[in-house]
Amino acid sequence: ILNVEQSPQSLHVQEGDSTNFTCSFPSSNFYALHWYRWETAKSPEALFVMTLNGDEKKKGRISATLNTKEGYSYLYIKGSQPEDSATYLCAFLGSSNTGKLIFGQGTTLQVKP
Amino acid sequence: GAVVSQHPSWVICKSGTSVKIECRSLDFQATTMFWYRQFPKQSLMLMATSNEGSKATYEQGVEKDKFLINHASLTLSTLTVTSAHPEDSSFYICSSWTGKSNQPQHFGDGTRLSIL
Repeated sequence: ILNVEQSPQSLHVQEGDSTNFTCSFPSSNFYALHWYRWETAKSPEALFVMTLNGDEKKKGRISATLNTKEGYSYLYIKGSQPEDSATYLCAFLGSSNTGKLIFGQGTTLQVKP
Repeated sequence: GAVVSQHPSWVICKSGTSVKIECRSLDFQATTMFWYRQFPKQSLMLMATSNEGSKATYEQGVEKDKFLINHASLTLSTLTVTSAHPEDSSFYICSSWTGKSNQPQHFGDGTRLSIL
């Protein structure tokens, strides 16, 4: 059974703090790692699709790194803002490339003003 | 950006009722649509993969006769929960995918189903 783990489960930070979370995934049969941001009452929004070991992607204050050999990805948020409050999901895509994603449970971030 | 419309957002109905949930890809043709279910405090669990014009592929443990999926066009997939019972109460969400390996999935807003 393929397992995707995210930590921490939840996080409370003050506005302006920088933060990071972890996604662990199987290191074999890797095809891609997705990150999504899911705000309450909205649909999950794609942040990154990462495919190469050592890849680093950035979108505004949010960045992500990828280590496929050891099976982990980090998501960083620099200078958190209240609007960053959301659940951040990572999802593993195996090499079959059927598009079938295996999701972690998510990290719920709350940024206090 | 890509928009996926899912409705209804909320359904409350009596046990034994069949409920249909629609998922529409509004501005791109989706080769594949996925249906997920989420229980409280758990991750999104894939129920089935739906390809236009072909039968859906169901994940292990998902009853295909209980959860009927139809993918009639490149922009519309439907999930029908047949003869729903309280244990079918859950959050159901769909996503669309172009089929390109470097592209993400685009999600609907989800449907909260409550069976009384």
